[in-house]
Amino acid sequence: GAVVSQHPSWVICKSGTSVKIECRSLDFQATTMFWYRQFPKQSLMLMATSNEGSKATYEQGVEKDKFLINHASLTLSTLTVTSAHPEDSSFYICSATDRVISGYTFGSGTRLTVV
Amino acid sequence: GENVEQHPSTLSVQEGDSAVIKCTYSDSASNYFPWYKQELGKRPQLIIDIRSNVGEKKDQRIAVTLNKTAKHFSLHITETQPEDSAVYFCAATWASGTYKYIFGTGTRLKVLA
Repeated sequence: GAVVSQHPSWVICKSGTSVKIECRSLDFQATTMFWYRQFPKQSLMLMATSNEGSKATYEQGVEKDKFLINHASLTLSTLTVTSAHPEDSSFYICSATDRVISGYTFGSGTRLTVV
Repeated sequence: GENVEQHPSTLSVQEGDSAVIKCTYSDSASNYFPWYKQELGKRPQLIIDIRSNVGEKKDQRIAVTLNKTAKHFSLHITETQPEDSAVYFCAATWASGTYKYIFGTGTRLKVLA
């Protein structure tokens, strides 16, 4: 079945630094990838949609200059949290679709802690 | 804008009983409704889905029903087991061609042994 790999699974960084999270589709071409943020005991909140080769579309309230998304190939999308602050601490999870298979395939998630 | 409401937020049932989780969506053009199970700290796993041209779908102990007129869809778990304990999320597509999913707020299901 479709597999999406996400790295790192957890990261601790200092306030003010940047962190890059990678999302790879291993056995299919991810035409579209989505990035979600999930705070404890809350739902998945869509941050942005990225189509391969295009600029990401951000949801209302998500700072595009803070959360940089790159989807340069059909198998890789990256999310960079720039100038991270403690309030950015969360579980970040990607999902991917080739628009053919049913349902999203989620990555394993990245727990970001900013200290 | 698009919205998916999910109820209840928490649900406790005795092992062997049934559990029902309900969702309501706002976009009448939504045409795909998946359900995900998420265990603590792990990725959501697709457990069942239904398309708008079908009213009901069943997979062993899990079933989903869809009422397009009322814009409701529900997850039914029968003969619940302790390993069914998790958070369940419904989702609906926002039919804009983006394949974007809008997730419900989640239901924490606890199956008591």
